[in-house]
Amino acid sequence: GAGVSQSPSNKVTEKGKDVELRCDPISGHTALYWYRQRLGQGLEFLIYFQGNSAPDKSGLPSDRFSAERTGESVSTLTIQRTQQEDSAVYLCASSASRDFWRVETQYFGPGTRLLVL
Amino acid sequence: AQKITQTQPGMFVQEKEAVTLDCTYDTSDPSYGLFWYKQPSSGEMIFLIYQGSYDQQNATEGRYSLNFQKARKSANLVISASQLGDSAMYFCAMREEMAGNQFYFGTGTSLTVIP
Repeated sequence: GAGVSQSPSNKVTEKGKDVELRCDPISGHTALYWYRQRLGQGLEFLIYFQGNSAPDKSGLPSDRFSAERTGESVSTLTIQRTQQEDSAVYLCASSASRDFWRVETQYFGPGTRLLVL
Repeated sequence: AQKITQTQPGMFVQEKEAVTLDCTYDTSDPSYGLFWYKQPSSGEMIFLIYQGSYDQQNATEGRYSLNFQKARKSANLVISASQLGDSAMYFCAMREEMAGNQFYFGTGTSLTVIP
């Protein structure tokens, strides 16, 4: 497939449990982004990777959130001890070039809908 | 301060009419890019149009155009000849050269096209 994929598409979990969300970016894309979108709200930046390093983790809401990326491929967002306020859609996006002056649109995945009961 | 401000939470437009969605931004970086994305009810984010801070002309892509007023720091999206399929959330976003790959998104505008 040519697009960004995310799994699972939906996740229902109980408060206090850990969850792992997966993102497969477009092959060859060096940059990968995670966003959170609460119901009826805009996108909240969480973290981005350039390759497998994360230059900017400033958007992670708490130390319960962490993310990893293997090389320039799969990324996993982990939420530990989930809380009800973590319920949201988690969107992943990737983009291609390191050259700022290229039109580096982000290509978004379909998102993972997380519901914490 | 908010990097991107979209002041219209909801807009209505008659089919075939034009509509303008507002976006203002805040940056001290002279090199930046502005983006608009569409998010239908199905949830995917669709890239619409891009404007670079040094671009001399306003960007256009089909029925979409960007009214770029640099001094005012505004980058309004104009959709001409609205169609029912244009009903969606629209997000304005910015990328600053100093900030590397980080994108800043606004809170979005919900557009409803009325038949």
